[in-house]
Amino acid sequence: GAVVSQHPSRVICKSGTSVKIECRSLDFQATTMFWYRQFPKQSLMLMATSNEGSKATYEQGVEKDKFLINHASLTLSTLTVTSAHPEDSSFYICSANGARENNEQFFGPGTRLTVL
Amino acid sequence: EDQVTQSPEALRLQEGESSSLNCSYTVSGLRGLFWYRQDPGKGPEFLFTLYSAGEEKEKERLKATLTKKESFLHITAPKPEDSATYLCAVGPGAQKLVFGQGTRLTINP
Repeated sequence: GAVVSQHPSRVICKSGTSVKIECRSLDFQATTMFWYRQFPKQSLMLMATSNEGSKATYEQGVEKDKFLINHASLTLSTLTVTSAHPEDSSFYICSANGARENNEQFFGPGTRLTVL
Repeated sequence: EDQVTQSPEALRLQEGESSSLNCSYTVSGLRGLFWYRQDPGKGPEFLFTLYSAGEEKEKERLKATLTKKESFLHITAPKPEDSATYLCAVGPGAQKLVFGQGTRLTINP
């Protein structure tokens, strides 16, 4: 149980384009989903927290107009990186938490974004 | 400010050589200490949650313990497949996790 998927696993795009990443909880309903960013050999940095049907809460320093988050249902959240630039290249990871999972977050496999 | 510090940053062991990883934390209100394993290019894999000082949990060759200021992840007789980065995180508030920098563990055959 508690499986989270992400799609795509890897994406390469040109500077200025937008990229959408999907995060799905496969076998449970996720009341809350989280989006993290991880640079090489660094730890995970929380970008934003989203609850189904409400606006995401962004961490300090994260541009909400650049990183659009939509939590459309209890099993799906999307992160759209708008007008991507090379400095947005990173490993993006989502996680999900359900009512029966207490405080435990279960992570997706991650999406490697490379902006040329 | 909530903070998590892991040590050592990297650790190399021979197969079968037991050791411990440390996670020190300061948090306004602990709502769980979490251990994850992360393989290169993959998302973190959940290992343990500890909620109160004195609590211990085991899974195969791994054992996690918790005090009021730190947690240890003990690895007994490790195998090469235990090589990974081990992440510690605390939950200061409802569901929000603060991660440490991780310990990169390498087990040589």
